[in-house]
Amino acid sequence: EAQVTQNPRYLITVTGKKLTVTCSQNMNHEYMSWYRQDPGLGLRQIYYSMNVEVTDKGDVPEGYKVSRKEKRNFPLILESPSPNQTSLYFCASSKQGAGSGYTFGSGTRLTVV
Amino acid sequence: GESVGLHLPTLSVQEGDNSIINCAYSNSASDYFIWYKQESGKGPQFIIDIRSNMDKRQGQRVTVLLNKTVKHLSLQIAATQPGDSAVYFCAEKSGTSYGKLTFGQGTILTVHP
Repeated sequence: EAQVTQNPRYLITVTGKKLTVTCSQNMNHEYMSWYRQDPGLGLRQIYYSMNVEVTDKGDVPEGYKVSRKEKRNFPLILESPSPNQTSLYFCASSKQGAGSGYTFGSGTRLTVV
Repeated sequence: GESVGLHLPTLSVQEGDNSIINCAYSNSASDYFIWYKQESGKGPQFIIDIRSNMDKRQGQRVTVLLNKTVKHLSLQIAATQPGDSAVYFCAEKSGTSYGKLTFGQGTILTVHP
């Protein structure tokens, strides 16, 4: 089944403790991206990658890192999480080019206390 | 699932009615548009897309209309069903970077049996 898989689904952590949310896609897509979703603020793009070793900032990149060493994986790294990073995170992937929309994973609910 | 729709526009319809959801986009350089549906506890799901060289595109029970003059997009759902109840988002891409997909604020659609 074609899908975007992110783990974990739920995570509670403490301020300052480094964490990684993994994302993998099995559709051989070139593009991958991370979004966060907050009530009243909608979906905001954190980072995106247009191919291996090519990443770019989205609208809200502060406090996050990403890497794209392999085509299928695009982990999101929070080096020093803070409570304002408590959110619902989505990973997504798409084919390259203009005429493709992102396929989204099921989400990771992160709480930073 | 937890609400993502704090203070979002809402639309309530009766089962069988037609629904129209509107979206104003901001970037006049955007050339590709997508409508997504998000059900509670799930990631956004692709519904239909349209390129900027078109003004109308039809799918199964859904139609997207694009008016570039006023930067307006609409989603029409025919014979709305209770299963259509969800949050609907428009999203836009521009040729400056096709990895960047920007979402609108969303509209909550509630269908009453």
